[in-house]
Amino acid sequence: QKEVEQNSGPLSVPEGAIASLNCTYSDRGSQSFFWYRQYSGKSPELIMSIYSNGDKEDGRFTAQLNKASQYVSLLIRDSQPSDSATYLCAVKDYGGSQGNLIFGKGTKLSVKP
Amino acid sequence: DADVTQTPRNRITKTGKRIMLECSQTKGHDRMYWYRQDPGLGLQLIYYSFDVKDINKGEISDGYSVSRQAQAKFSLSLESAIPNQTALYFCATEFSGELFFGEGSRLTVL
Repeated sequence: QKEVEQNSGPLSVPEGAIASLNCTYSDRGSQSFFWYRQYSGKSPELIMSIYSNGDKEDGRFTAQLNKASQYVSLLIRDSQPSDSATYLCAVKDYGGSQGNLIFGKGTKLSVKP
Repeated sequence: DADVTQTPRNRITKTGKRIMLECSQTKGHDRMYWYRQDPGLGLQLIYYSFDVKDINKGEISDGYSVSRQAQAKFSLSLESAIPNQTALYFCATEFSGELFFGEGSRLTVL
């Protein structure tokens, strides 16, 4: 069973701090990785995708991938109260499920003013 | 208007009733999905379809069935609803790895 693991949190950070969200995955052959943000009662929305080892930056968000360690993270700089949400890590499964996304259970982030 | 539309948005029903959740999309994507979300359990894949003639079971398909009536329409049915099917259900389309979700259908089975 391929798995994606996240710390459920809640992760609480003060406004302006860096929030660090972590995710590990079990399938060493995975090639595509995604971070979705989900506000309470709303549907998930894609905020970052990453495919190569290293860092990928988009505004205040940085995704980091280390395939050797099977680890992907999301850093949120200058955290704002509006960043308070659940962050879902997803890994694309190219095996038996024909490229479906496998989701972690999500990390709840709370940014305190 | 939303690109992925789910109806109904909220539904309360009784054990044993047949329920259909409908999903339609205007994005023109071939791939469509139905997910279930329970508190603390993340998103679980129920069924997925890569085109009108292709239907596949996901990790939790028992008790559910689907119909892909057209490229734009993908319906989820609960033939005989039970209380542990109470959950938030999401339909989604996919393009190049990105999922586009509907607003969700909250189902309560009493």
